[in-house]
Amino acid sequence: KAGVTQTPRYLIKTRGQQVTLSCSPISGHRSVSWYQQTPGQGLQFLFEYFSETQRNKGNFPGRFSGRQFSNSRSEMNVSTLELGDSALYLCASSLDGLAGGPFFFNEQFFGPGTRLTVL
Amino acid sequence: SQKIEQNSEALNIQEGKTATLTCNYTNYSPAYLQWYRQDPGRGPVFLLLIRENEKEKRKERLKVTFDTTLKQSLFHITASQPADSATYLCALGEWGKFQFGAGTQVVVTP
Repeated sequence: KAGVTQTPRYLIKTRGQQVTLSCSPISGHRSVSWYQQTPGQGLQFLFEYFSETQRNKGNFPGRFSGRQFSNSRSEMNVSTLELGDSALYLCASSLDGLAGGPFFFNEQFFGPGTRLTVL
Repeated sequence: SQKIEQNSEALNIQEGKTATLTCNYTNYSPAYLQWYRQDPGRGPVFLLLIRENEKEKRKERLKVTFDTTLKQSLFHITASQPADSATYLCALGEWGKFQFGAGTQVVVTP
C-alpha cells in the first residue's frame, strides 16, 4: 500500500502571498489531519477532516484553512503568509474512527511533510 | 490548559544501555497515550500505544509504562543501538485531535 504523500515537498514564498499544500492519504483512510511543526512550538494540531467535513480544529488563526475532497485527498491553504508560518507541515491519515467512538484508537500515518519557507 | 511535557534535553547514551524517556501531562484524562519516533526531515512514525487500564506495554526492545495517578508515561529502549537515534514524541488526545509533546532527542553512540 502506498503511504501518505504530500506535495510539494519544499516551497519558498514571500510575506503576504498565499499557499496551498496537498495531501493524499493512504487508500481507504477517511480521516486526514494537518499539523505544523516548528523548532520552537513542536508539533501542533491544525485541523482534522473526515468525510469532507472539518471535525476538529486547533488554535490557529483563520488564515489557515483546509478542505477535503470526496476521494479523501485534502488541501490546506494559508493566506497572507507571515514569516512565522515557516515550518514543516505534516498531514496524517487514519481509518474511520467513528464506529468505535472518540476514544477508539486509529493509528495515524504521517506523510513526509512540506517544508514551507516564508521570506 | 492541557499540557504535555517531555525532557527537552537530548539524551546521550552508549550503545547497549537502556534509554528512558519521560512524558508528563496535566489537565488530561486520556484514554490512551501514544509514542512516536521522528527522524530528521521526516514525519513521525507510530511506535506504541498504551491504554489507561494498562500498566505496561512491550514491543520488541521497547517498553512503555503508564501511571495515571502520577500522570506520567515512561518509554524505555533496551539494548539501544545507534539506529535508535531519533526524536521520540508522546501524544495524547482523541478522535483525530492529538496533542504532541515537544519530543526528546536520543543519541546512541557506539
